[in-house]
Amino acid sequence: GAVVSQHPSWVICKSGTSVKIECRSLDFQATTMFWYRQFPKQSLMLMATSNEGSKATYEQGVEKDKFLINHASLTLSTLTVTSAHPEDSSFYICSARLLAGRQETQYFGPGTRLLVL
Amino acid sequence: QKEVEQNSGPLSVPEGAIASLNCTYSDRVSQSFFWYRQYSGKSPELIMSIYSNGDKEDGRFTAQLNKASQYVSLLIRDSQPSDSATYLCAVNTRRSSASKIIFGSGTRLSIRP
Repeated sequence: GAVVSQHPSWVICKSGTSVKIECRSLDFQATTMFWYRQFPKQSLMLMATSNEGSKATYEQGVEKDKFLINHASLTLSTLTVTSAHPEDSSFYICSARLLAGRQETQYFGPGTRLLVL
Repeated sequence: QKEVEQNSGPLSVPEGAIASLNCTYSDRVSQSFFWYRQYSGKSPELIMSIYSNGDKEDGRFTAQLNKASQYVSLLIRDSQPSDSATYLCAVNTRRSSASKIIFGSGTRLSIRP
């Protein structure tokens, strides 16, 4: 399958700082990437859809000024958690959409575990 | 009604038996269907995709799709303890001309030795 990487794999930061997470599609181009958040023992929650060359589309209840998304190239999307607080501590997972004709598949990165102290 | 529904489980199956995971979806025009496996603390991993009615087999895994009933299932033969994980059903849907994959909340599968 296609490979998606994320960096960093984990981060610990102080409350009030900003954290940037990178998501890369390593062997295919992805015009669309997705950012999810998952709290312990809960299901994946889609935060936003990242579109190359245009603004991200945020899900209801997700603050766009809090979670900044940039998708400047066909292989890289970044999520910046601004002014992070302890309640932002979570497992952040990106995925990239692979299109093959009319069929599409999503491949996930390994995730980034964020702990805000 | 949720767009993609799964029984949350846990589903407990003895080692060596067949594990059957089920999923229903609401969007009749959905064309792509996926099963992901997620181990605790890890991100989801794609294990099967299916696009046409019928069965699709890959090793010990068989995906079954019935578009008329809006039902997709995953069978795991000869279940192993390493199959213990949460299995996510995902369905492609189209909202406002934008294509999106919607995930179910997952079924926890436990294979008991």
